[in-house]
Amino acid sequence: GQNIDQPTEMTATEGAIVQINCTYQTSGFNGLFWYQQHAGEAPTFLSYNVLDGLEEKGRFSSFLSRSKGYSYLLLKELQMKDSASYLCAVNTGFQKLVFGTGTRLLVSP
Amino acid sequence: GAGVSQSPSNKVTEKGKDVELRCDPISGHTALYWYRQSLGQGLEFLIYFQGNSAPDKSGLPSDRFSAERTGGSVSTLTIQRTQQEDSAVYLCASSLGEANYEQYFGPGTRLTVT
Repeated sequence: GQNIDQPTEMTATEGAIVQINCTYQTSGFNGLFWYQQHAGEAPTFLSYNVLDGLEEKGRFSSFLSRSKGYSYLLLKELQMKDSASYLCAVNTGFQKLVFGTGTRLLVSP
Repeated sequence: GAGVSQSPSNKVTEKGKDVELRCDPISGHTALYWYRQSLGQGLEFLIYFQGNSAPDKSGLPSDRFSAERTGGSVSTLTIQRTQQEDSAVYLCASSLGEANYEQYFGPGTRLTVT
């Protein structure tokens, strides 16, 4: 089966740094995506990792360890607008993504 | 051009009725996906179209669900004899190619079965 685990909810303060973890056990692996989804809106792409290591893109970075089945999304200099759900998704190699249930991030002033 | 569009944005229907949900992908995107998102749940894969290949229907929850993609562009998801458990947001996404390409999501159709 396919299993992707993320924390259900996290809270952080404006200006802080937060790390959202994702662990996966899937029948295959061909890359991992992070998407952001604001309440009532469609998910939007944040990052894609297929090789081990850290990918940095502005305030957001994503890390992957294939041997550990582990990824994290790092958000720096948090802003109120970063309050959203963050979805981890694995390309299992069968031309479709398997999504985790998402982590709801609440940023407070 | 425009992003992925879906219609209707909201649909309320009575149990037992059939519904059709429409998705217009981004022009030039060969891959099209349908997902379902229930309250508090992750995105659940339903069906995948890639070019002229036979669709991957492995995520359809029952034979009441079907989808087609005409001319490699617009797609319609049909749910027959709707049940209350079908209530969810149905999201469509398209991408340039296979699953290692970024998927662009439409705004979704919120289906409520009463």
